[in-house]
Amino acid sequence: GQNIDQPTEMTATEGAIVQINCTYQTSGFNGLFWYQQHAGEAPTFLSYNVLDGLEEKGRFSSFLSRSKGYSYLLLKELQMKDSASYLCAVMDSNYQLIWGAGTKLIIKP
Amino acid sequence: IAGITQAPTSQILAAGRRMTLRCTQDMRHNAMYWYRQDLGLGLRLIHYSNTAGTTGKGEVPDGYSVSRANTDDFPLTLASAVPSQTSVYFCASSPDRNTGELFFGEGSRLTVL
Repeated sequence: GQNIDQPTEMTATEGAIVQINCTYQTSGFNGLFWYQQHAGEAPTFLSYNVLDGLEEKGRFSSFLSRSKGYSYLLLKELQMKDSASYLCAVMDSNYQLIWGAGTKLIIKP
Repeated sequence: IAGITQAPTSQILAAGRRMTLRCTQDMRHNAMYWYRQDLGLGLRLIHYSNTAGTTGKGEVPDGYSVSRANTDDFPLTLASAVPSQTSVYFCASSPDRNTGELFFGEGSRLTVL
């Protein structure tokens, strides 16, 4: 079966750095996506990786290793507004998105 | 720019009743999707449409139906609601089916009693 694993919850301190990991087993691979979802709101797109390596976008970076079935989202200079759930999703060989359950990130002052 | 509009935002429904969740987008996207989101579970695809006039079944289609008469509208119907359909429903769209960057509506919170 297809599976996306990510930690259920993480806590970090304002101003610090946090890394959210995602491992996957899917039927084929056509890209890995990270979304941010604030409580009670819709998910919004953060990043996309299809090749191995690091993609940087401001305070957020996303890394992919296809051989290891592994990705992480790195958030730097954490702000209180970064408190949210972070969803990892993989597009399989049929171009269907397979979603992880999400990681709830709690930022403490 | 509205993006994707869902209605209603919240609804309480008696079991056995019929309910249609509306979804409209103004981005001229070809692909549209209906997901449900339940606590502790990832987003689960109910139905999708790759282009106007076509629909397909997702991971959890039972008890739901959709139609795609035009590019903009993608309503989701629960023919006879059951308590297990209590969930938050998100409509989403993307320029085409090969794009994983989805644009989501604000969600419809449905409670079936």
